[in-house]
Parts: sequence; structure tokens; C-alpha cells
Amino acid sequence: TQLLEQSPQFLSIQEGENLTVYCNSSSVFSSLQWYRQEPGEGPVLLVTVVTGGEVKKLKRLTFQFGDARKDSSLHITAAQPGDTGLYLCAGVSNSGYALNFGKGTSLLVTP
Amino acid sequence: SQTIHQWPATLVQPVGSPLSLECTVEGTSNPNLYWYRQAAGRGLQLLFYSVGIGQISSEVPQNLSASRPQDRQFILSSKKLLLSDSGFYLCAWIGEATNEKLFFGSGTQLSVL
Repeated sequence: TQLLEQSPQFLSIQEGENLTVYCNSSSVFSSLQWYRQEPGEGPVLLVTVVTGGEVKKLKRLTFQFGDARKDSSLHITAAQPGDTGLYLCAGVSNSGYALNFGKGTSLLVTP
Repeated sequence: SQTIHQWPATLVQPVGSPLSLECTVEGTSNPNLYWYRQAAGRGLQLLFYSVGIGQISSEVPQNLSASRPQDRQFILSSKKLLLSDSGFYLCAWIGEATNEKLFFGSGTQLSVL
């Protein structure tokens, strides 16, 4: 199983602060995905990054895929309480059929 | 449009009892189907995936089994539940046209007591 390590595991910040969370692996992935999950619900896809070095922006969220396609980062600018949730990264396994998830970063943004 | 149904939403079962969780997908054909388990507030562990009827791949050895009796139906089962089987179980699917995007069901919170 290709492992994805996410850091930090927990993050508590105040509204308006910036933050970056990381997703790292020793394996190369054809693509990486970022999901956000709220308690009691299934994860919802935020973005898919495919090309090494790719940068995608989704409003205040900036996603980057490492040049070697082994790691990715998510940067949030001016965090808001609505950004609170569990952020998960996932990569397609070598079998090509399954998505392997990291353990996630639990983000709490307080007003 | 495609939808995924998963039930029940919550389940409390005694140790040693059987388990059957069902997941069905509508609006698509020949999807890849997945069962994940999630510990409280943590990442998802892939349990099983299926690329077609009767085809089941297991990612980790465990007390659970899966079956796919129909194209859009995926069932997670156990003959005798253990305390360690407690968790949030999520069914998900990928269709051919979705470029590896997973669509998740709403999950089943299983408590084994």
C-alpha cells in the first residue's frame, strides 16, 4: 500500500490567519486529490492535481503538486470558520483502481 | 444524475452479532465500488473495492467481507462483529467518466458494544 503522510494532524487557528497543510509520500502518484470532510458526512472532493508542479486555486485555497508527483500542499489564505473540517489527501494506487487516503489534517478556525 | 445510497445511517450492534451494510448506486453503470472505514476524525482506510459483479479485492485482512451481487450494489458483511469493528463506514464509487473522482455515500456509524 502506498502511504500518504499528512501534517500537521491537528491545527487550530484564528479567523484571518493563513495556513499550509502537507501531504507527503515516498511513492509517485499519477494524481493526487484533496477532500474536505465535515463530521458525520462523507468527504467531498476539492481538487485533483495531475501534473508535476501544478498549482490550482479555488478561491482562498491554493493547491500545489510537487514536481516529482510525490507530495502536495494546501494553502488557505485568510481562514474562515467555514473552513473548519478534516482535510484529506488521496492518491490513486498502483493497481489503478483504489484511492489511498492520508490520515488527514483536522482544522479548526475560531472566530 | 448519479446518486449513491447507503444505509443504515447509524447502527448499534452487540459483539458477536452479524452485520450487513448495503450500498447502491443509481444513474451509472459498471462503476468501481469501494468500502472505506474511518476512525473518529481520522483518515479513511480502504477495506474492499470491486471493479465488477462478483469481483472483490480486499486491501487488509480483517473480520469483514464484501460482495457485489449486482452491478450497482455493494454489501459489507460480518458473521461475528468485534469491538474493533466500530467506526464510520463509507461506500464510494467512481464512474468511467469521472476521472477518478470518488463520490461518497453519507456513511454508516457503527458502534459495537
